[in-house]
Amino acid sequence: GEDVEQSLFLSVREGDSSVINCTYTDSSSTYLYWYKQEPGAGLQLLTYIFSNMDMKQDQRLTVLLNKKDKHLSLRIADTQTGDSAIYFCADRRPGGYQKVTFGIGTKLQVIP
Amino acid sequence: DTGVSQNPRHKITKRGQNVTFRCDPISEHNRLYWYRQTLGQGPEFLTYFQNEAQLEKSRLLSDRFSAERPKGSFSTLEIQRTEQGDSAMYLCASSEGQNYGYTFGSGTRLTVV
Repeated sequence: GEDVEQSLFLSVREGDSSVINCTYTDSSSTYLYWYKQEPGAGLQLLTYIFSNMDMKQDQRLTVLLNKKDKHLSLRIADTQTGDSAIYFCADRRPGGYQKVTFGIGTKLQVIP
Repeated sequence: DTGVSQNPRHKITKRGQNVTFRCDPISEHNRLYWYRQTLGQGPEFLTYFQNEAQLEKSRLLSDRFSAERPKGSFSTLEIQRTEQGDSAMYLCASSEGQNYGYTFGSGTRLTVV
């Protein structure tokens, strides 16, 4: 995951908004993804954005993409304790078999 | 369909033993991936199948590792002569097409003692 970078930890109070940030290095990335992982579980796809979009909203989730700065963010509105998990940013690049490359993950802690 | 299924959930083995993991993807998905995740890290790509063909392998996949998907349905990942450094969560994922996100299984946690 050395080409996809994320901060390691974020703590927010229940009811506040959370913003998790990610930077990627490959400007030719075609799709960018956010996955959620709860303890002891596999990864769950939350949302994705195509590289020709700059914003996507899905209920409490808003994804913002700044292609110029290669910056991706995930905003969770009205954060709940059930949102506590590790959030992974990932990108898909063209060429080869277009495998998805993951960042190291951001641990979100929601304080009641 | 119950999603991507992986067995076993946990495996403890002695160093030097062989282990095999199984993944049953979502039935309509022709693409299957194996990833490895160590503590505090994101998943790292190991290998990729399209139907029964293994189309890409990571350099992380040493010659002690072998993966198969004989009929384009379930897949197995075998590790021979396990080492302590093989201890990790092994994740399987499948997808319907190249632009779709992956559906992951719950993983197999391997502990080599």
